[in-house]
Amino acid sequence: QSALTQPASVSGSPGQSITISCNGTNSDIGAYDYVSWYQHHPDRAPTLLIYDVTHRPSGVSLRFSGSKSGNVASLTISGLQADDEADYFCCSYTSFSPLFGGGTKLTVL
Amino acid sequence: QVQLEQSGAEVKRPGASMKISCKASGHSVANFYMHWVRQAPGQGLEWMGIINLSGVTAHYAQKFQGRVTMTRDTSSNTVYMELASLTSDDTAIYYCARKAGTGGRHFDLWGRGTLITVS
Repeated sequence: QSALTQPASVSGSPGQSITISCNGTNSDIGAYDYVSWYQHHPDRAPTLLIYDVTHRPSGVSLRFSGSKSGNVASLTISGLQADDEADYFCCSYTSFSPLFGGGTKLTVL
Repeated sequence: QVQLEQSGAEVKRPGASMKISCKASGHSVANFYMHWVRQAPGQGLEWMGIINLSGVTAHYAQKFQGRVTMTRDTSSNTVYMELASLTSDDTAIYYCARKAGTGGRHFDLWGRGTLITVS
């Protein structure tokens, strides 16, 4: 299976909102509500931001939200902060295994 | 503190094998499934496989079948991933990632990764 498709990079100014898309197919994102999003700062362990499309684990800021429409999942970060500058990747379970996006580098201007 | 601590970076020769450890603290590896995922330079993440609760059964991505072995040692609270017949294409950062409990289809805890360079 091909990886999920994410934009290579996005950017925004502090206080703004940005959205990162994650494009899949009707065999992965379109078939299951098992999309998750992760934040990855260099040299740190990735951390879970969103699971099951829209759910936030306890401790994750309300500024992070997830959604899905058809075969496309999205992560929205509102009120951008400097510490949000990181890599973000999506994941969708398929009937066989987890499938990941290529990752998106967020730059806070 | 709940975390996964992975072994350090290594350089391997082509044809060699590697074995990475992932030691859990603050929780028991006996209570969770553990995935292994890797990221080659400039590439996205790639799922390699999962070891189940019992540590007896592991399910591997077809790409790695016959070359990968995932094991678990409950006495040291550590899981291991061994990959044989290394080539330069195996140069990557390897991560262990805990599968969320109670039917979760996501990863709720990750290690910081282990860089393996095959050269």
